[in-house]
Amino acid sequence: ETGVTQTPRHLVMGMTNKKSLKCEQHLGHNAMYWYKQSAKKPLELMFVYSLEERVENNSVPSRFSPECPNSSHLFLHLHTLQPEDSALYLCASSLTLGQGYEQYFGPGTRLTVT
Amino acid sequence: AQSVTQLDSQVPVFEEAPVELRCNYSSSVSVYLFWYVQYPNQGLQLLLKYLSGSTLVKGINGFEAEFNKSQTSFHLRKPSVHISDTAEYFCAVSPYAGGTSYGKLTFGQGTILTVHP
Repeated sequence: ETGVTQTPRHLVMGMTNKKSLKCEQHLGHNAMYWYKQSAKKPLELMFVYSLEERVENNSVPSRFSPECPNSSHLFLHLHTLQPEDSALYLCASSLTLGQGYEQYFGPGTRLTVT
Repeated sequence: AQSVTQLDSQVPVFEEAPVELRCNYSSSVSVYLFWYVQYPNQGLQLLLKYLSGSTLVKGINGFEAEFNKSQTSFHLRKPSVHISDTAEYFCAVSPYAGGTSYGKLTFGQGTILTVHP
């Protein structure tokens, strides 16, 4: 596979469940990102990792827990979510964390919290 | 901090007509500028970017954009659209702060372009 892949593509979970989203990039990039895309709102940056080190946590609730075991993989662990957390979660990567570098996006995971 | 305003939430247009999607930004520092496109059920794909040099930037699929520093705008244009251009388009900015500081992307709310036959 090439580019940035995300699994699962769709996820329905109850408020008491625990699940994880997975992202994998095959581009040899050193930086990875999680975004939340809700209807009628701009993309919200959630987390940024550079060389497996978290660079930014953009005031995200603790029910979202990221993990970056290596520069190719990024996870988002979910627990006790709320209905307002239903959204499209996008993963992205870039060559480095510097300015002006293009971010490559995965297709996203459509999350529905019931 | 930066902010991005896309002036139209929806733009309907007929096939082969020209289109302009408007983007204005606000920033206290110089910025890099980007346009991304999102087709249904897909992630975002880069259309074009302005880093420096000529203010007219050409991208993929026949799109171009012009950076206007005095008006803090970066409008996207295409002279003749196709049905396949139907998608949501996002303008984004990243601060230029020099050195190796982090270039965080700030996105606009998106413009849905619908091309009718």
